Amino acid sequence: GAGVSQSPSNKVTEKGKDVELRCDPISGHTALYWYRQRLGQGLEFLIYFQGNSAPDKSGLPSDRFSAERTGESVSTLTIQRTQQEDSAVYLCASSLDHIEAVKYFGPGTRLTVT
Amino acid sequence: SQQGEEDPQALSIQEGENATMNCSYKTSINNLQWYRQNSGRGLVHLILIRSNEREKHSGRLRVTLDTSKKSSSLLITASRAADTASYFCAPPDTGTASKLTFGTGTRLQVTL
Repeated sequence: GAGVSQSPSNKVTEKGKDVELRCDPISGHTALYWYRQRLGQGLEFLIYFQGNSAPDKSGLPSDRFSAERTGESVSTLTIQRTQQEDSAVYLCASSLDHIEAVKYFGPGTRLTVT
Repeated sequence: SQQGEEDPQALSIQEGENATMNCSYKTSINNLQWYRQNSGRGLVHLILIRSNEREKHSGRLRVTLDTSKKSSSLLITASRAADTASYFCAPPDTGTASKLTFGTGTRLQVTL
């Protein structure tokens, strides 16, 4: 596709439910990143994929959070037993995997846990 | 780990004025990128400056880098209302070189 896409754009869920957030990176981009941004805050790194392996998952805040990636394509971020503090915009970015690579961000998924 | 820290946190100027935002980071870098974010959604890459460069221009943007002070600045000249956004500097992470880390950004408001 032309850019990084994410779905859904908005998700409202009840506390305790599981949610899945999807990211479609730019074709050919080997690197994929998930970030979280709470209201009025900066970007918080969650996880990085190189291909379908995750060499850096240091930012996942708890074991309720997990992510997977199929080949060098779609990634899914899953949050189990959602809590109100999980409410945030979840941003996905993809890039070629080198130090100067420009990161292309998707529009984000706004998650609201009620 | 590495993280860019922007200053000021918020900046309000009138259209036509220049806006300067500063960034500090902790460890040595090979390059530093600046990004812009509108309305809390996806970020857009603005410019990359390498460690052997002191200044770089792109349209109305001018970025400087002082590796001895571990700082960078972004200057937007002749600002427009459409420049209203949050601006982030992003140095590479010390662990995973292709990973960028972001601070809280500078929120720029340009008024007519």
